[in-house]
Amino acid sequence: QLQLQESGPGLVKPSETLSLTCTVSGGSISSSSYYWGWIRQPPGKGLEWIGSIYYSGITYYNPSLKSRVTISVDTSKNQFSLKLSSVTAADTAVYYCASYSSGVYWGQGTLVTVSS
Amino acid sequence: DIVMTQSPDSLAVSLGERATINCKSSQSVLYSSNNKNYLAWYQQKPGQPPKLLIYWASTRESGVPDRFSGSGSGTDFTLTISSLQAEDVAVYYCQQYYNTPALTFGGGTKVEIK
Repeated sequence: QLQLQESGPGLVKPSETLSLTCTVSGGSISSSSYYWGWIRQPPGKGLEWIGSIYYSGITYYNPSLKSRVTISVDTSKNQFSLKLSSVTAADTAVYYCASYSSGVYWGQGTLVTVSS
Repeated sequence: DIVMTQSPDSLAVSLGERATINCKSSQSVLYSSNNKNYLAWYQQKPGQPPKLLIYWASTRESGVPDRFSGSGSGTDFTLTISSLQAEDVAVYYCQQYYNTPALTFGGGTKVEIK
């Protein structure tokens, strides 16, 4: 069974870059069966798709975040990563890594707070 | 972008009674070539990630109780909990994957016990 686990700093300063990694187990990140993506949820609010990467390495980003987002994959480690630059308090959220095709399978999520 | 609109924002239902949540998409999520609706439903409890309940608008994920059912087609969809249990208290989200890899979610419906 596919399992995903986020890791990275829980506190980031304003204007800096948020960096998170998702480790995949129970399956290969090179599989063509899934997209691998990031979704976030500000405290008490709804869900926002940030972007995704396919096994081919092609990336797709939410247009509202595109200028600040980079998603990459490391097949040797079965991991994919998120970088979000120039963060502000509005980027404070629980960040989930996910795999999906006809439904989303989620990591446990990690709270990232943007504060000085 | 496909905008997903859920209603109501919250509802309170007595134990054992029916709960109905609606979801409307700004454009059809029915793919004509395979006659499938690219619509999923999730349940989220506090402090937990969302859990997939229903995909293809009406297919229950393995292990999901049969009191949960999904219906609808095109732009209008419904999640029904036929007999509300205490453990069903949660926020429920609909989500389209017609535009995969881009995903959009409804705003959520909070279900409580009356």
